[in-house]
Amino acid sequence: LAKTTQPISMDSYEGQEVNITCSHNNIATNDYITWYQQFPSQGPRFIIQGYKTKVTNEVASLFIPADRKSSTLSLPRVSLSDTAVYYCLVGDMDQAGTALIFGKGTTLSVSS
Amino acid sequence: EAGVVQSPRYKIIEKKQPVAFWCNPISGHNTLYWYRQNLGQGPELLIRYENEEAVDDSQLPKDRFSAERLKGVDSTLKIQPAELGDSAVYLCASSIFPRGVVGVPEKSTDTQYFGPGTRLTVL
Repeated sequence: LAKTTQPISMDSYEGQEVNITCSHNNIATNDYITWYQQFPSQGPRFIIQGYKTKVTNEVASLFIPADRKSSTLSLPRVSLSDTAVYYCLVGDMDQAGTALIFGKGTTLSVSS
Repeated sequence: EAGVVQSPRYKIIEKKQPVAFWCNPISGHNTLYWYRQNLGQGPELLIRYENEEAVDDSQLPKDRFSAERLKGVDSTLKIQPAELGDSAVYLCASSIFPRGVVGVPEKSTDTQYFGPGTRLTVL
């Protein structure tokens, strides 16, 4: 299983774009990348998922370079409510139960 | 669509007492997970079920923890006896995996849907 590395914390101000990068140097051909968001006193919530290039949804964008050894979660114009912990996970499309290692995640603090 | 339901939301017990947590996954989700999350840490998997079968319980402390998912739907996680170090948030999640399940694409991903968790305090 590919191990992931993320910054422990990041600070931002309202209205700014925030980019959180996750390193997964040992990612395998069948691995996909998933990001979750967790607010205090809640369970993690799925944000976005991708395999290569760029994925965008109503919440965020996920950029994955050609070598797939890293990925960047981009949150456009953050607000105070985006303050949360963000987790990057890597899993195998052919094996159930592989995208289950959360690590400590990145704590994003957004200030006004 | 209802999300993953967990109860109770909070539980305070004294050490050496038993405790049980209940989880009802999203309807149709065949895979169910129990995680433990300590303060400041990410969730750690305790056990994963595919239908009623426990397919990964390698991280479950079997001397005091047990789990069941008798009919492949809801699940119970039990601790007996509880220790001080068991204080944590216990999260349940569900997903649709593996491939071969009707309606699931050939290539599947373990997108998990989490419940709110049960915060356990052992005194």
